[in-house]
Amino acid sequence: DQQVKQNSPSLSVQEGRISILNCDYTNSMFDYFLWYKKYPAEGPTFLISISSIKDKNEDGRFTVFLNKSAKHLSLHIVPSQPGDSAVYFCAASDNNDMRFGAGTRLTVKP
Amino acid sequence: DTGVSQDPRHKITKRGQNVTFRCDPISEHNRLYWYRQTLGQGPEFLTYFQNEAQLEKSRLLSDRFSAERPKGSFSTLEIQRTEQGDSAMYLCASSFRQGASGANVLTFGAGSRLTVL
Repeated sequence: DQQVKQNSPSLSVQEGRISILNCDYTNSMFDYFLWYKKYPAEGPTFLISISSIKDKNEDGRFTVFLNKSAKHLSLHIVPSQPGDSAVYFCAASDNNDMRFGAGTRLTVKP
Repeated sequence: DTGVSQDPRHKITKRGQNVTFRCDPISEHNRLYWYRQTLGQGPEFLTYFQNEAQLEKSRLLSDRFSAERPKGSFSTLEIQRTEQGDSAMYLCASSFRQGASGANVLTFGAGSRLTVL
């Protein structure tokens, strides 16, 4: 059962522009949502999280928005930099396990 | 502390053989997770431990799979009678969790890639 979905396998943006990565979930019991970034030959690394009781969390160039009624969250990166090129995974947790989406490969072109 | 370590990084085996992966988590972390990742997919949850207790197992974890964390420190994941469908990246992650407040942020290792011929 795919409880976390990322429907866009890839995204390409120009350096300096905004990157928007999207994620949908089905389980309303999730209490935290997280974004991880993964470079080749490395494990995923934590980027930013948001509690289910909030609708926005910002950390530098990264902002995550949560729409609980739509069961949708998005990660905004602005301005995008070539070093942001990686696979981004959306994850949702309920204090026990954590479920991941299939990932979106972001390419930021110079 | 060097983060989460996994060994071996790569394993090639023949179908029917047994393989074992080891994970050394961050020392202060009380939770340890195993995930499997195949090409084009995100990490799929297999199991997790809180200290030495195995608290949850996914139905993906067939009876050929067994995980242990004997002293609440390192963990092993053994796959018996490997099949070609077991070929994947096996990721270990750890976290510190006390109570239910705050995000449960996992720190991942680089993974152990298994190829079953």
